[in-house]
Amino acid sequence: GAVVSQHPSRVICKSGTSVKIECRSLDFQATTMFWYRQFPKQSLMLMATSNEGSKATYEQGVEKDKFLINHASLTLSTLTVTSAHPEDSSFYICSARGKNRGVETQYFGPGTRLLVL
Amino acid sequence: EDQVTQSPEALRLQEGESSSLNCSYTVSGLRGLFWYRQDPGKGPEFLFTLYSAGEEKEKERLKATLTKKESFLHITAPKPEDSATYLCAVQGLYNFNKFYFGSGTKLNVKP
Repeated sequence: GAVVSQHPSRVICKSGTSVKIECRSLDFQATTMFWYRQFPKQSLMLMATSNEGSKATYEQGVEKDKFLINHASLTLSTLTVTSAHPEDSSFYICSARGKNRGVETQYFGPGTRLLVL
Repeated sequence: EDQVTQSPEALRLQEGESSSLNCSYTVSGLRGLFWYRQDPGKGPEFLFTLYSAGEEKEKERLKATLTKKESFLHITAPKPEDSATYLCAVQGLYNFNKFYFGSGTKLNVKP
């Protein structure tokens, strides 16, 4: 079964509004969570890395004030796209690293499709 | 600079026609190499982790192998349900928070 969940799976919003995406690790405690963005027919682009209880580390070119990340617990991270614009429309995928059945690996959520009108 | 290159970009197979996908990598110290399967509109699904050259792992019709420079994902007698994009990622020893992803191989298996 799925070990990482994301909510919502799809969201359509108006330009200028903020959107929050939740990522939860279901079967394990995630020491580190990651947020990726994926454009059509392209691979995953890492946006930021977050550890529980500390500030996220953003990749070069990713606006911290635009993409707010909160890693409130070992099982929950949120990504808030603030003042969303059409160019923010994309597929956002979270990932959680942790040990599941004794094996440390990185599991991905099902993704959230964001469409900004 | 650490990087991952996957080939081919796209692969069309007839059902039952075995083949291999390639993942070439350069990384300063390999912590792990990961294979994922991604269906359209979904997040990547974990398949395998390989840690050292010579290691092999199998799952149903898939078998992943690793050398010091590349990994292969062998698909034996594929079925249409194996159609997906297969992603390879490497994790370095010195910056293990980063996964370097390849651009993927889109596999289409025709019945």
